[in-house]
Amino acid sequence: QVQLVQSGTEVKKPGASVMLSCKASGYPFSHYGITWVRQAPGQGLEWMGWISIYKGDTKYSKKFQGRVTMTADTSTGTAYMDMRSLRSDDTATYFCARVVATGGYWFDPWGQGTLVIVSS
Amino acid sequence: DIVMTQSPLALPVTPGEPASISCRSSQSLLHSSGFHYLDWYVQKPGQSPQLLFYLGSTRASGVPDRFSASDSATDFTLTISRVEAEDVGVYYCMQALQSPLTFGGGTRVEIK
Repeated sequence: QVQLVQSGTEVKKPGASVMLSCKASGYPFSHYGITWVRQAPGQGLEWMGWISIYKGDTKYSKKFQGRVTMTADTSTGTAYMDMRSLRSDDTATYFCARVVATGGYWFDPWGQGTLVIVSS
Repeated sequence: DIVMTQSPLALPVTPGEPASISCRSSQSLLHSSGFHYLDWYVQKPGQSPQLLFYLGSTRASGVPDRFSASDSATDFTLTISRVEAEDVGVYYCMQALQSPLTFGGGTRVEIK
């Protein structure tokens, strides 16, 4: 079945960087995009950006432009998100999701999420 | 940015009763294709979000038919005809017309 499995919990100090991974299985990886959405504790969902696996194109929310880089390794079916200059308000669960782009855009399925804790 | 506004914030429902969630966008989500670029997701307790509807009113695979969605330019409604205990969770709408994609604040459905 289509599945996205994300890497484990990260604890980082302010100013550090973190790289999260999202391994896809059960579908042709290059045929879909991958998006990243985060959720601060007790809060709603926030879209960060996405990557077109086939083209390698990326689009980022302006809020994260310059601080986030999304990449993908087609040989392993894994997407990555690198986030730099971490702050305490980056503490959140980060979800990856497959982007279905067929006359619209929707996210299905989602990974289980990776908790990133930023604390001194 | 397109602002998505959901109401109510919380919705206590008796099992077997209907429930409706409203989502309004600050501008039309109608694409030139004729579809509304509006999706619905539910996040059940302790789980990742999951897709319910896309393109405004197209039910995702595996979603029970007690769920329905209606769409217009800026007003969208998710309806559960008869709420069941397993429907508890936070429901989010999301616009996919314009970057940045934006979510509504969420509506928490709970059982009375």
